[in-house]
Amino acid sequence: RKEVEQDPGPFNVPEGATVAFNCTYSNSASQSFFWYRQDCRKEPKLLMSVYSSGNEDGRFTAQLNRASQYISLLIRDSKLSDSATYLCVVTSRGAQKLVFGQGTRLTINP
Amino acid sequence: GAVVSQHPSWVICKSGTSVKIECRSLDFQATTMFWYRQFPKQSLMLMATSNEGSKATYEQGVEKDKFLINHASLTLSTLTVTSAHPEDSSFYICSGRDFDGYTFGSGTRLTVV
Repeated sequence: RKEVEQDPGPFNVPEGATVAFNCTYSNSASQSFFWYRQDCRKEPKLLMSVYSSGNEDGRFTAQLNRASQYISLLIRDSKLSDSATYLCVVTSRGAQKLVFGQGTRLTINP
Repeated sequence: GAVVSQHPSWVICKSGTSVKIECRSLDFQATTMFWYRQFPKQSLMLMATSNEGSKATYEQGVEKDKFLINHASLTLSTLTVTSAHPEDSSFYICSGRDFDGYTFGSGTRLTVV
């Protein structure tokens, strides 16, 4: 079983739609959680950290459920520029390394 | 913010030759550098963790004699792919641990022909 699992998609949605991504992780000792976005042939860039209390950054909302070992990302009022691959990432307690999910590819259509 | 400069951005080499990839932290001291590999339509897979002044720690299944990592200074880490073969063709990317989190290099696309 992969340590971090995501639905690979692809997701194709119209501009302005709301889209939700889910992610599960297997290591209950995981401590930090992130969503990154990666454009084609580019490096991943941090989108937001994820906290148990949930956090929001503009059109983006992230949630963490430690009991279910589940992370989500919600994008509201999607823009064409949101088209990218979204990576769910975790680190373990004491470990510095990032563990990446396989990514979910999103295409926003005009 | 923190910047990691990675070179080259792309390289084509002949099978059997070696390729060196450099990552420099420009405005912070990266005591730890992570090296990842990404095949098409797959996620980033950690290859090894390098710490300045000590031997790198390789992930299971990664050949340390084939992927040589050097982290001789706080601002420079290198990955050398030795005796490259077509199956080594991939996107290689480094990431430095900085004061605020993780900063990625821009990646190196290696094609072995």
